[in-house]
Amino acid sequence: DIQMTQSPSSLSASVGDRVTITCRASQSISSYLNWYQQKPGKAPKLLIFAASSLQSGVPSRFSGSGSGTDFSLTISSLQPEDYATYYCQQSYNIPITFGQGTRLEIK
Amino acid sequence: EVQLVESGGGLEQPGGSLRLSCAASGFTFKNYEMNWVRQVPGQGLEWISYIGSGGSTKYYADSVKGRFTISRDDAKNSLYLQMNSLRAEDTAVYYCARLVIGDSVRGAWFDPWGQGTLVIVSS
Repeated sequence: DIQMTQSPSSLSASVGDRVTITCRASQSISSYLNWYQQKPGKAPKLLIFAASSLQSGVPSRFSGSGSGTDFSLTISSLQPEDYATYYCQQSYNIPITFGQGTRLEIK
Repeated sequence: EVQLVESGGGLEQPGGSLRLSCAASGFTFKNYEMNWVRQVPGQGLEWISYIGSGGSTKYYADSVKGRFTISRDDAKNSLYLQMNSLRAEDTAVYYCARLVIGDSVRGAWFDPWGQGTLVIVSS
């Protein structure tokens, strides 16, 4: 199975900050990497697919980059509604696997 | 509007069975591959099962293989998860999710997800 490791596991930041979350795969997954946002009590929501493609309707302050084993999700200027947990996910192999999540909290 | 709505969760005793349903609307259900993903409260996401369009190809996570069965009824625009021999560690919110296939460069992604249905396995 492909292991997905996110860092950090939690992060405190202020409104307006630039925030970067990283995700590392245990083997190369090309660009088969997606990012999701989950707020408490809600289902995950797709933010970024194929490592760097912004899902329709997602604000442009969100961006993704990377290929192979190392990926990142960046929020250019944190907004109050961005406080949530973020997950990376690989679709290169079955079983599909997720990172453990990064909880983004208000500083 | 593309929508997935799960139902069928609840409290069940260890060793018991439950059948989850996921009703799809707003898209041509038969053309899409579908999945179940679960989340233990307060923890991360775990993919547990996949079914291809047409229903002949199925995959399972090791944690549920031999106990859970995924199926679909395209005439009813519905996805199912039959859960047998339930264990306490199956307690989770269960989400159905549509798999969107990109291409050989982009892969695939889950969009949208249902709101989830809570399964509690306890005596």
